[in-house]
Amino acid sequence: DGGITQSPKYLFRKEGQNVTLSCEQNLNHDAMYWYRQDPGQGLRLIYYSQIVNDFQKGDIAEGYSVSREKKESFPLTVTSAQKNPTAFYLCASSVHRYTEAFFGQGTRLTVV
Amino acid sequence: KQEVTQIPAALSVPEGENLVLNCSFTDSAIYNLQWFRQDPGKGLTSLLLIQSSQREQTSGRLNASLDKSSGRSTLYIAASQPGDSATYLCAVATNAGKSTFGDGTTLTVKP
Repeated sequence: DGGITQSPKYLFRKEGQNVTLSCEQNLNHDAMYWYRQDPGQGLRLIYYSQIVNDFQKGDIAEGYSVSREKKESFPLTVTSAQKNPTAFYLCASSVHRYTEAFFGQGTRLTVV
Repeated sequence: KQEVTQIPAALSVPEGENLVLNCSFTDSAIYNLQWFRQDPGKGLTSLLLIQSSQREQTSGRLNASLDKSSGRSTLYIAASQPGDSATYLCAVATNAGKSTFGDGTTLTVKP
């Protein structure tokens, strides 16, 4: 069953903690992306990666970090430097950067 | 900087009606445009992808058009059904491979 799996579905973070969101795909896609969605708004790009061991900052990268050590995995760490991390986080992948993007089911992060 | 606008923000129609959702963008130097559907609390489902060289794409009751010169795309939904109720987003990809999303149109189809 091919697709993109995000985990966990819900995540709670205390002030000052780092948390890592998981994104795994078995579609053999080269490109992967992380987006943030706030209520009633569209998606904003955090980071993207076009090949293994390479990634670029998106429009709102401050307070976030990523790694791309394996083709199928693109974890996102929300650091304590991110002042307003409560949001819905979506991971996507595509064959390469110019092709159709497919999304996971998202992780809802809440700061408590 | 590319800006993408979707109007209206919300739309309510009776079942069976044909409808059009709009997406406009400020920079016509795009690579492609993609329409998505999002159900509450869920991820995005890809509906249609239009390359910059294409004028339209069709899938079932959905038809998407693209006019690059005027910076507009429309998503036409024929014979709407209650199951079509969702938020519809458009995303415009630039030659740098990054996509800019609109804020979406929330559609409600009443039985």
